[in-house]
Amino acid sequence: SQKIEQNSEALNIQEGKTATLTCNYTNYSPAYLQWYRQDPGRGPVFLLLIRENEKEKRKERLKVTFDTTLKQSLFHITASQPADSATYLCALDMRGNNRLAFGKGNQVVVIP
Amino acid sequence: DGGITQSPKYLFRKEGQNVTLSCEQNLNHDAMYWYRQDPGQGLRLIYYSQIVNDFQKGDIAEGYSVSREKKESFPLTVTSAQKNPTAFYLCASSTGTRRAYEQYFGPGTRLTVT
Repeated sequence: SQKIEQNSEALNIQEGKTATLTCNYTNYSPAYLQWYRQDPGRGPVFLLLIRENEKEKRKERLKVTFDTTLKQSLFHITASQPADSATYLCALDMRGNNRLAFGKGNQVVVIP
Repeated sequence: DGGITQSPKYLFRKEGQNVTLSCEQNLNHDAMYWYRQDPGQGLRLIYYSQIVNDFQKGDIAEGYSVSREKKESFPLTVTSAQKNPTAFYLCASSTGTRRAYEQYFGPGTRLTVT
């Protein structure tokens, strides 16, 4: 069966350190992968999109990698700040038609 | 000020009643989506629409219905046939669907059915 796995345990990290989140998938062959941020009780906000032929994408303090051989994406927040505390969702786009399959999300708590 | 609006933020209904959730966007986006989110779960696609007067079922369409009469509007009706309707409902839009685009989400409607 198809699965998108994100760590169910919250990641607690000290301010200033790098937070790294993992998104693993099975029985999917995504053309694109997206990362979103969701705060409690609010809608997700788009962060980054990476294509299957791209290894890495950066935006300010954020970095995403995409390894189609390992079927894995890593999401990094460098120099983390308390304001980065949120749940981060990965989403797969199989055909590039914007029909997304979402993981359950991984909570990040940045400790001042 | 462009964006997606959903109303109301909280909605309470008795079991057996149909209820319609509103979603409006002024981003001039062609595609619109409805998702459902349950505690500790990922977003699940209910319905999506790529263009006015056209829509497709998502992964969990049973018990739901939609319409897309205007580009700006994509209301979702939760019918009495939906067995477990209590959830957080999210509407989203994107520029199109011919390639990967970011999705813009509304603030959500939390529906409670008792």
